[in-house]
Amino acid sequence: DTAVSQTPKYLVTQMGNDKSIKCEQNLGHDTMYWYKQDSKKFLKIMFSYNNKELIINETVPNRFSPKSPDKAHLNLHINSLELGDSAVYFCASSQGDRANQPQHFGDGTRLSIL
Amino acid sequence: GQQLNQSPQSMFIQEGEDVSMNCTSSSIFNTWLWYKQDPGEGPVLLIALYKAGELTSNGRLTAQFGITRKDSFLNISASIPSDVGIYFCAGQLRGAQKLVFGQGTRLTINP
Repeated sequence: DTAVSQTPKYLVTQMGNDKSIKCEQNLGHDTMYWYKQDSKKFLKIMFSYNNKELIINETVPNRFSPKSPDKAHLNLHINSLELGDSAVYFCASSQGDRANQPQHFGDGTRLSIL
Repeated sequence: GQQLNQSPQSMFIQEGEDVSMNCTSSSIFNTWLWYKQDPGEGPVLLIALYKAGELTSNGRLTAQFGITRKDSFLNISASIPSDVGIYFCAGQLRGAQKLVFGQGTRLTINP
């Protein structure tokens, strides 16, 4: 009955590889987000989709490409992984596209680049 | 750049003590949210504040939306071991579509 689920929980890979992280929410929300949490625990938004449409696209390298096949799913593909991509990536969802709606977070994907 | 200043960055307290942390900004916010993150998990919403001056409680937790709309505080009364974690404030800037997060306050409780 997990509300926002991300897979995988851990991802260890070599520099230069391409990887994907998947996210699914069963809350019936229509907005989903990707956040990056660095080693100092600072959380920063990367992307936001509302009803499969991109509404927030922060200054993120083009190597990061989100994809929303439907409003319950938001996946993140990363090309040519770099050392600086090591972080915890969180998916979140909320109802409506207004930023003041409470966001529900997944448990994160810990990405480590060797 | 960073638009929210959260303090303190860390706290070491004895079980049973009260805790207070706050977030300040030079900008005006429409919404303040307080989250807690346990190790290995994602942030969980504790309290949401939507109006200047609003004071809201959730059990032993109390948070307030500052009158100036530029700050918010979170208090925890009679701390217990399960309060350990990282607490984040998050705010929606007036006119913005996204949340910005504070740097977090790491709470450690000595038994």
